[in-house]
This record gives sequence, C-alpha cells and structure tokens, in this order.
Amino acid sequence: KNQVEQSPQSLIILEGKNCTLQCNYTVSPFSNLRWYKQDTGRGPVSLTIMTFSENTKSNGRYTATLDADTKQSSLHITASQLSDSASYICVVSPNTNAGKSTFGDGTTLTVKP
Amino acid sequence: KAGVTQTPRYLIKTRGQQVTLSCSPISGHRSVSWYQQTPGQGLQFLFEYFSETQRNKGNFPGRFSGRQFSNSRSEMNVSTLELGDSALYLCASSLGPEVPEAFFGQGTRLTVV
Repeated sequence: KNQVEQSPQSLIILEGKNCTLQCNYTVSPFSNLRWYKQDTGRGPVSLTIMTFSENTKSNGRYTATLDADTKQSSLHITASQLSDSASYICVVSPNTNAGKSTFGDGTTLTVKP
Repeated sequence: KAGVTQTPRYLIKTRGQQVTLSCSPISGHRSVSWYQQTPGQGLQFLFEYFSETQRNKGNFPGRFSGRQFSNSRSEMNVSTLELGDSALYLCASSLGPEVPEAFFGQGTRLTVV
C-alpha cells in the first residue's frame, strides 16, 4: 500500500531559527515528490517539485532534498519567519496521474517571536 | 494572471440537502482535480477531469459527483449531505494530466448542520 509519512506532526520554533521537516514514502514506482505550504483556511501553495533524478531543489529559504534510494525527502527552512507558520504537506506520485498521488498528513509549523 | 477561483468560499447546509461547488481553473489549464480536506483525514482525492472527461475517481460514495465544461470550469455536487461531509473542498488545476505542478484554489468551506 502506498503511504507517505511526515514527521514531526507538529513543530514549534523561534523566529530566525532553522528547521527540517521529514517525509518518508513507500510509493512505487516513483514519478515526483512535491512539497506544499498551506496557511490556515487557505489552499496549498507549491514550494518544490522533484523528480527521480533531482536530489535538491530550492525556493528562496526553502530547500527540499530527495533520496530516491531510501525513499526519503526533507524540507529545510532557513532563518524562519512568522509567516512560515503553516502546514507543510508532502505529496508523492507514482506517475503523472493525479488520482494516484498519495498525500502526507502534513507537519504543522509554528514560528514564535 | 488570475489564480484558481472557487465559489462560494463558505457554505452552510442542512443534512439531506445537496450542494454544488464551482471551480474556475487558471486560464489555459485543462486539468481540474478536487480534494476533500478534514482535520482527521488530511487531503483526500475526489476526482480529476480533463477535457470534460473524468480520468480518475477517489474512494468516495456515489453521492459525490462532478463534471467539467468545455471551458474547463468544473463543478462538484454532493447529494444527501451528511454531517461528515463538513470539510474544506479544494480544487486544483494544471495544464494537463501529464503536468505534475498543480495550483490550488482557496477552497470552499462546507458546514453541514
């Protein structure tokens, strides 16, 4: 069964600090892995998309890594800001068919001043 | 460039009623997917449409249905509403089913009382 597990479930950090969110998956065959940021009550916004051949991708202060061998991905946030407080969702697709995508339950990040 | 537009943003319905939600994709996008998001279940895939055809369907009862029009706008309908249907319903659009990057709308918050 395809699964995506994210950890930690929730995280509280101080403004300015760095943090790393984890995503482990069992989806196979693998096509792409996406990280989304979702503010409370809003729709998810894409942060990064990585395919099998990519192991790092950055979007400003967000850097995602992918290890397709161990089926693990991480999202590193540098110099956190209050606006980074949100839910971060990892999505893995075995092909480009949207119906086959598996969503993680997300990590809720709270950045405190 | 306008984003994905979902209407209405908020909706309150009574058990047993039916509801129709609307999604206007980004101009030029022909693929539309629908998701249900609840605190306990995370994002759950409902269905995907491309060129007015349903390509995939998630594991939801037949009370949940959808369609796509020739202008790529999509609607989803839920009949005989149950309390458990209370959720944030999200729509995402992409250029096509082979394009992994999807853009989400703000969602429709449905409350069933």
